[in-house]
Amino acid sequence: EAGVAQSPRYKIIEKRQSVAFWCNPISGHATLYWYQQILGQGPKLLIQFQNNGVVDDSQLPKDRFSAERLKGVDSTLKIQPAKLEDSAVYLCASSVTRLAGYNEQFFGPGTRLTVL
Amino acid sequence: GQNIDQPTEMTATEGAIVQINCTYQTSGFNGLFWYQQHAGEAPTFLSYNVLDGLEEKGRFSSFLSRSKGYSYLLLKELQMKDSASYLCAVIGAAGNKLTFGGGTRVLVKP
Repeated sequence: EAGVAQSPRYKIIEKRQSVAFWCNPISGHATLYWYQQILGQGPKLLIQFQNNGVVDDSQLPKDRFSAERLKGVDSTLKIQPAKLEDSAVYLCASSVTRLAGYNEQFFGPGTRLTVL
Repeated sequence: GQNIDQPTEMTATEGAIVQINCTYQTSGFNGLFWYQQHAGEAPTFLSYNVLDGLEEKGRFSSFLSRSKGYSYLLLKELQMKDSASYLCAVIGAAGNKLTFGGGTRVLVKP
């Protein structure tokens, strides 16, 4: 079974530039998550999709971050314009379905973003 | 709000045992996960607890006390490859939203 795919793996940009990340979840996984992980910290949920609908985006800085999952499969996360504090690893995860309790999330390798 | 605390760093010797504690205060509780994350890699699932007690899986065990808002991950017979960060994460109220602690970096020395 193929895992969660993400690209690019690394990205270096200057502040005020734009950047986009792509994620392809495990086939059949209806729920997709984007996390931000700053060095030395745990992942923080940015947005959660159930199929192509947003379930939770309460921690997404909507003035600069946007995400979409138009066909309910792959997803893109965009930052425009980037700030220095956006330097982090952006992790995508997917799970089978959105039910309370046990629902293991499978993580992709992440995109390491450096903003100069 | 959600608050999950775990120690920042621990050091142990190869072959020994290490216990990583996690305390949590969350609005609602639907389970607690432990993930392992090697440097530069994605988190990988280790264990899940929703009922009080100990879950054993090979060299790794996880314990939960819901009344105390407390869990620990026990790593036995430590190996060098166990050097990694260990993340405690809680599912709070309804839904599948995971809230992570800051992670505990474990360094295994020869």
